[in-house]
Amino acid sequence: GENVEQHPSTLSVQEGDSAVIKCTYSDSASNYFPWYKQELGKRPQLIIDIRSNVGEKKDQRIAVTLNKTAKHFSLHITETQPEDSAVYFCAASPYSSASKIIFGSGTRLSIRP
Amino acid sequence: GAVVSQHPSWVICKSGTSVKIECRSLDFQATTMFWYRQFPKQSLMLMATSNEGSKATYEQGVEKDKFLINHASLTLSTLTVTSAHPEDSSFYICSARAGVITDTQYFGPGTRLTVL
Repeated sequence: GENVEQHPSTLSVQEGDSAVIKCTYSDSASNYFPWYKQELGKRPQLIIDIRSNVGEKKDQRIAVTLNKTAKHFSLHITETQPEDSAVYFCAASPYSSASKIIFGSGTRLSIRP
Repeated sequence: GAVVSQHPSWVICKSGTSVKIECRSLDFQATTMFWYRQFPKQSLMLMATSNEGSKATYEQGVEKDKFLINHASLTLSTLTVTSAHPEDSSFYICSARAGVITDTQYFGPGTRLTVL
């Protein structure tokens, strides 16, 4: 089955700097890659997603890139703000598995003032 | 936007009892719902996929007789933790997929289960 690895597990950046989180996946049939932000005790919130027919997608300060050949994808947050502090999860959805989503292990992002 | 609710938001029960958690899609029909478990400071682990009108599909290592899932309608799926033990204490989150042509899943707010 699909296996998603995520790095780093923790990340601390200065406010205003950029943050990058990287993930790899194992199932070449996966075709949907969402990213979620989760605050303590709350539900995961979809912040951006990308499908396998696209190499890059941007939404304001957030961008995601996908390299299908290497089977890795990354989240880029620019001009970080204190409210960006949270746990971020990447995920992959194997096309053949009824769109179930397999999550990475998570990255705890802290923004230093 | 699509809204998914869960009830209860938290529950405390005694060891050996059963607990039922409800997951509802409030403004859309969900053909497929998913149940996850999340331990503190860990990721979401998929437990099972719930399809309306059919048996749930459990992930490897998840006991189907312990975690009973019922998806009786297009807006409601339930997870029953039977004979709960302290190690079942966790944050249980459901998600719902709106239709068969979309990949987007909407998550419920989660249910925190504490077994004494």
